Amino acid sequence: DTEVTQTPKHLVMGMTNKKSLKCEQHMGHRAMYWYKQKAKKPPELMFVYSYEKLSINESVPSRFSPECPNSSLLNLHLHALQPEDSALYLCASSRGTANQPQHFGDGTRLSIL
Amino acid sequence: RKEVEQDPGPFNVPEGATVAFNCTYSNSASQSFFWYRQDCRKEPKLLMSVYSSGNEDGRFTAQLNRASQYISLLIRDSKLSDSATYLCAVTHSGNTPLVFGKGTRLSVIA
Repeated sequence: DTEVTQTPKHLVMGMTNKKSLKCEQHMGHRAMYWYKQKAKKPPELMFVYSYEKLSINESVPSRFSPECPNSSLLNLHLHALQPEDSALYLCASSRGTANQPQHFGDGTRLSIL
Repeated sequence: RKEVEQDPGPFNVPEGATVAFNCTYSNSASQSFFWYRQDCRKEPKLLMSVYSSGNEDGRFTAQLNRASQYISLLIRDSKLSDSATYLCAVTHSGNTPLVFGKGTRLSVIA
């Protein structure tokens, strides 16, 4: 069982919908991440939060909006997505951002109609 | 040259075989190294960290060669359940996140 919990497990949405992905960890980790993964590709980093502050945005389109309400929670707000945004969205956390292994949630499989 | 490179495979090996994967990295300032395992349609799971002195966990051995800038993963006595994609991940320095290789697909065949 993963110690990083993501909801929902699956999400189907239209291009005009607004939805949110949620991620929670209770390991006391101070860094949290969002990744996007397409089939047969490695995870692609989207955002990094360190001590609840956004530290890295890998030039992600503004239709993806991250939020870190507290040290245990990380959200990804979605609006006006495109079909090519369909992917597995993975949340991860680590003790810090320097030289630490990341622990992944089991992901949200997102399909855009 | 890509930052982290892996042979995508697939490696098809019989049960009981020994198989090894390498992962090369281009940044000589890289500091930390990890192997992850990812099953189809699942999340990556940390398999092991790779230390300078090498480390072993049961049938799995990871090694680091800083001079040649690669890490390796050796799996002995392969089991059917070892079939997965193995991703290497590297951090550079300071507060930089992991950089993943594209993964090596392993199929262990009965």
